[in-house]
Amino acid sequence: QSALTQPASVSGSPGQSITISCTGTSRDVGGHNYVSWYQQHPGKVPKLLIYDVTNRPSGVSNRFSGSKSGNTASLTISGLQAEDEADYYCNSYTSSSPNYVFGTGTKVTVL
Amino acid sequence: EVQLEQPGVEVKKPGESLKISCKVSGYSLTSYWIGWVRQMPGKGLEWMGLIHFADSDTRYSPSFRGQVTISADKSISTAHLQWSSLKASDSALYYCAGAVAGTSWFDPWGQGTLVTVSS
Repeated sequence: QSALTQPASVSGSPGQSITISCTGTSRDVGGHNYVSWYQQHPGKVPKLLIYDVTNRPSGVSNRFSGSKSGNTASLTISGLQAEDEADYYCNSYTSSSPNYVFGTGTKVTVL
Repeated sequence: EVQLEQPGVEVKKPGESLKISCKVSGYSLTSYWIGWVRQMPGKGLEWMGLIHFADSDTRYSPSFRGQVTISADKSISTAHLQWSSLKASDSALYYCAGAVAGTSWFDPWGQGTLVTVSS
């Protein structure tokens, strides 16, 4: 099972919106609505941002939103803030063991 | 509130064995999965495998099958990740992450165990 494909880096200015893509196949992203997104600041533990493609856990800012089209899921960060500078990973259910696969990760830089 | 507790650091020599733990508190383990994730220095997250506490159903990533053993001890609410013979290339940060059975997201995560293998 290969990792899902994410852009290595995305950047934006404060206040702008950016979108991170996560491309898989019909066996993972395209075949289920079980995509989640995690934010990881340097030296910190990954934090759940989005689950089941579009849902935000309690306490996560509504500036983060998720969507999916075909085999590609996306995370949009609106009103970009300096604190959003971090690495972001998608994760999808897959039919292959161990039933989950991460994306390659995207580094978000706030200019 | 569910919490996952991991030891912070383990330092071992090549060829030694190691078993690291992930203790779960605050949730009934009858329907709970623990996943193990490797993060090598400066790199991304990789699933190593998952285990279901209720029946010890274990699923390994092909990259890690045969290289590590994942187990769970319900009596002490703890999952384990173990190596029989460590290599320098096993040096990494290892996280455990929890998921309620029937859901597809992992939250919470442990603080991670930094494993250093060096002679």
